[in-house]
Amino acid sequence: DQQVKQNSPSLSVQEGRISILNCDYTNSMFDYFLWYKKYPAEGPTFLISISSIKDKNEDGRFTVFLNKSAKHLSLHIVPSQPGDSAVYFCAAPRVGTDKLIFGTGTRLQVFP
Amino acid sequence: DAGVTQSPTHLIKTRGQQVTLRCSPKSGHDTVSWYQQALGQGPQFIFQYYEEEERQRGNFPDRFSGHQFPNYSSELNVNALLLGDSALYLCASSAQLVELTDTQYFGPGTRLTVL
Repeated sequence: DQQVKQNSPSLSVQEGRISILNCDYTNSMFDYFLWYKKYPAEGPTFLISISSIKDKNEDGRFTVFLNKSAKHLSLHIVPSQPGDSAVYFCAAPRVGTDKLIFGTGTRLQVFP
Repeated sequence: DAGVTQSPTHLIKTRGQQVTLRCSPKSGHDTVSWYQQALGQGPQFIFQYYEEEERQRGNFPDRFSGHQFPNYSSELNVNALLLGDSALYLCASSAQLVELTDTQYFGPGTRLTVL
């Protein structure tokens, strides 16, 4: 039962352009979403989050958009930098708990 | 301030053996969660420890067990290893969550290979 889905396993973007990573979910009860970034040989690191009562949250070059009617969220990175190359996971805590449910991840490669 | 640390970094075992993985949480954190990340998948929640007790559990068999010590560090034990247990095992720590928005901090993981 994959409640959080990332359907694009990889994305390649030129430096300076926008990167858009997508995530879909099936459980309308999720009230909070997080994005984690993972470099090889490191654990996931928290990037940005959004509450279900909002439709946008911005932090520097990173913006997350939430469309509850479509059960869809996206992470925008503008401008993309080579150091952004990593695997990005979308996650949501199971309702009433802090147990995180992760998507399968999207590998972003930013090339010069 | 040391973050979450895990040991060992890599481990090779054979089927049927038992393994113990260790985690030290970030300073000030009292809650430890364990996740399994299989190749090409996202991390999957195994269980969580708080006040030395298992508080939540994911869909993992009883072969997976854990422990939390008074200093908040934790161990993950897996008995009767199967080939399918090969994965990256991640430990995440947090303070007792007041808000669900509180962030969990992950360690670098232990790569377990079962032959």
